[in-house]
Amino acid sequence: EADIYQTPRYLVIGTGKKITLECSQTMGHDKMYWYQQDPGMELHLIHYSYGVNSTEKGDLSSESTVSRIRTEHFPLTLESARPSHTSQYLCASSERKTNEKLFFGSGTQLSVL
Amino acid sequence: AQKVTQAQTEISVVEKEDVTLDCVYETRDTTYYLFWYKQPPSGELVFLIRRNSFDEQNEISGRYSWNFQKSTSSFNFTITASQVVDSAVYFCALSEATGGFKTIFGAGTRLFVKA
Repeated sequence: EADIYQTPRYLVIGTGKKITLECSQTMGHDKMYWYQQDPGMELHLIHYSYGVNSTEKGDLSSESTVSRIRTEHFPLTLESARPSHTSQYLCASSERKTNEKLFFGSGTQLSVL
Repeated sequence: AQKVTQAQTEISVVEKEDVTLDCVYETRDTTYYLFWYKQPPSGELVFLIRRNSFDEQNEISGRYSWNFQKSTSSFNFTITASQVVDSAVYFCALSEATGGFKTIFGAGTRLFVKA
């Protein structure tokens, strides 16, 4: 079974703060993704990575940045959080094979006041 | 460009009814994959099925069945004899070769199953 972890589960912060959302997986998956989702709504791809030192922007413009220094770790950073960043952020990973399914973490619900 | 459309925003049924969730996709690739995911109230997305573009055979898994038709670019999902535990948001998704096989999701269909 897949093991992908996101921390924190919930985060409430003030405007202007810098935050990092953590995502780690223990399956050795090369591909990792960040999706943004308002509750029960569509998932929007904001960042993805095919492996170490590989990062790409997704289809939804985002002010966040990501890094992939280690295979298992794919953190997302907001340099200066704003209320418009309030959303749920979902991390996912998959194997290198093209016909992969995604394994999702539990998500981080971010609220910016 | 790839696109997934789930026209049904919400569906409400009574337990034991059958229900079909529609999914229409757009792609210019000949090689692509289609998926269905379930997101229960707990929030964590769960994979249900994967289909590649070269396999139009329909699939049945217990009360779940999927109808893939390339001629209409549709990949519909049917739940037979629905149960309250089926209440969730269901997402159809597409990944295509040109897009580097990144996965794009539809807007989701929220299913309510009433006892």
